[in-house]
Amino acid sequence: DTAVSQTPKYLVTQMGNDKSIKCEQNLGHDTMYWYKQDSKKFLKIMFSYNNKELIINETVPNRFSPKSPDKAHLNLHINSLELGDSAVYFCASSQTVNSNQPQHFGDGTRLSIL
Amino acid sequence: GDSVTQMEGPVTLSEEAFLTINCTYTATGYPSLFWYVQYPGEGLQLLLKATKADDKGSNKGFEATYRKETTSFHLEKGSVQVSDSAVYFCALSDPGSASKIIFGSGTRLSIRP
Repeated sequence: DTAVSQTPKYLVTQMGNDKSIKCEQNLGHDTMYWYKQDSKKFLKIMFSYNNKELIINETVPNRFSPKSPDKAHLNLHINSLELGDSAVYFCASSQTVNSNQPQHFGDGTRLSIL
Repeated sequence: GDSVTQMEGPVTLSEEAFLTINCTYTATGYPSLFWYVQYPGEGLQLLLKATKADDKGSNKGFEATYRKETTSFHLEKGSVQVSDSAVYFCALSDPGSASKIIFGSGTRLSIRP
């Protein structure tokens, strides 16, 4: 069973469109995250939710809106997609917000903007 | 703010060679330190971790020791295999940061048969 699963795996779309990426974890973890990995492999946190509440919101354009309907799901909606949004987006989860807890990552969603 | 600096790659070694990937950090508190590995087309996987000074994390023949005096967490392996080819990320999480992980820029490792 996949621990952290995100869909779709690949997303190719036109500039200006709106798209969503879904993430689900079956580990019973309290905390979930979205990361963006650019073409040089640099990985940066975007958002974090703990028990459905937003706890980390980095400097991200407000075109990006996360939603957590329950603690097992964290979806990412992106409005008015731009060329610079092309990247691999990773969802992750950890048991708690404690800093010594490792994070479990999904396989990523590769977003390409035409 | 907190930061992680790791050696730039790519690093290319022959099978059975000794591996060191350097990592140093800057943090205001007493962070937990991690090494994650990313195989092609996959997400990151935890390789090892250390949560306090002088702790040694180890897994799959890899080791790293939390050195507070030198603010370092270098990754080592005595004899690498072709299957170790991947991108390795050093990372820290500060107790005051609500579990936010700061990643280094990653080091691509390629092992020749």
